[in-house]
Amino acid sequence: DAMVIQNPRYQVTQFGKPVTLSCSQTLNHNVMYWYQQKSSQAPKLLFHYYDKDFNNEADTPDNFQSRRPNTSFCFLDIRSPGLGDAAMYLCATSREYSGGYEQYFGPGTRLTVT
Amino acid sequence: GENVEQHPSTLSVQEGDSAVIKCTYSDSASNYFPWYKQELGKRPQLIIDIRSNVGEKKDQRIAVTLNKTAKHFSLHITETQPEDSAVYFCAASPYGNKLVFGAGTILRVKS
Repeated sequence: DAMVIQNPRYQVTQFGKPVTLSCSQTLNHNVMYWYQQKSSQAPKLLFHYYDKDFNNEADTPDNFQSRRPNTSFCFLDIRSPGLGDAAMYLCATSREYSGGYEQYFGPGTRLTVT
Repeated sequence: GENVEQHPSTLSVQEGDSAVIKCTYSDSASNYFPWYKQELGKRPQLIIDIRSNVGEKKDQRIAVTLNKTAKHFSLHITETQPEDSAVYFCAASPYGNKLVFGAGTILRVKS
């Protein structure tokens, strides 16, 4: 009964080597989010899609890109990972954009950069 | 934009005692206030939420109170158990806008 699925759960990449993380959902939600979370800090929103409309946070580095080819899937591309990009990456979905709609989080992908 | 402050950053309680975590927000347009629990290495999970037209909401041992005038909301956990140990995040959202999270509270329940 998994609702938000992330693959892989653990990813090791080399400094500067592009990496793609994937997220899929079975909830048919309109909105998909990507968050970066370090240690026990709060999740930091990188960007979100409302359907196919892409919304970037102002402080999201250009190194991070995203694709949403259809309702169910969303990808996070890190073009040239640096050591500072090592973190947990969380995908989340909601039926509508905030304002009272629960966000469902996936289990996360832990990214290690060597 | 919205800013959410959360206190305390760490909280240790004895099993069976109550725990209270407090958050303040800045944007009077915020109308949705969820609380997430995140166990070590796991995803954040919604435990309770409240909307601005309600002052208090309870679900078994968990309650949330909201004071719109003072712009603060609190999570109350009664009869704490070791499995309540986790990081708790509050968040606030104006309608049609993103969730803004507090910095988190590490709750330790000692048995």
